[in-house]
Amino acid sequence: EIVLTQSPATLSLSPGERATLSCRASQSVSNYLAWYQHKPGQAPRLLIYDASNRATGIPARFSGSGSGTDFTLTISSLEPEDFAVYYCQQRHNWRTFGQGTKLEIK
Amino acid sequence: QVQLQESGPGLVKPSETLSLTCTVSGGSISSYYWSWIRQPPGKGLEWIGYIHFSGTTSYNPSLKSRVTISVDTSKNEFSLNLSSVTAADTAVYYCARGGGTFEIWGQGTMVTVSS
Repeated sequence: EIVLTQSPATLSLSPGERATLSCRASQSVSNYLAWYQHKPGQAPRLLIYDASNRATGIPARFSGSGSGTDFTLTISSLEPEDFAVYYCQQRHNWRTFGQGTKLEIK
Repeated sequence: QVQLQESGPGLVKPSETLSLTCTVSGGSISSYYWSWIRQPPGKGLEWIGYIHFSGTTSYNPSLKSRVTISVDTSKNEFSLNLSSVTAADTAVYYCARGGGTFEIWGQGTMVTVSS
């Protein structure tokens, strides 16, 4: 099973700041990595697929990068609605998720 | 706009079968893969399995012996059966469109396994 390790577990930032979230895979997943945003009581939302492609309707402030084992989700300038939990997920070998990064307001 | 809604009992007894249905509205179930994903309290997300509208399935190896996913194209819905449940199966269960990348999700339904 491919294990995805996300860091940090919690990230405290202010609106307008830049957020950088990391996801590391225990073995290469090529570019088969997605990022999701999850707010309490809501359906998770796909942000990025295949490492760097924004899903339909996702604002340009969200970007993804990386390949192989190291991936990054960047939010260029945080909006109030961006504070949530973010998960990475791979589809290279079965499907597994990271444990999540909670992005909280500082 | 495609929406997914999970439905089913919120409480299941140990050793029994958990059964959930996901109803797809605003679009056809045809031409896509459909998945079930769960999240136990305080833990991470776990993919359970997927089904293609044609009936092809794939299951998480860790759950394969207990899982059945089926599809009813006439009702635009797909279903999950998880047999011989224990407290470890207590979780929020989500349905989603997609087999590898999960494009659209339902809001989830909490299922508790308890006598």
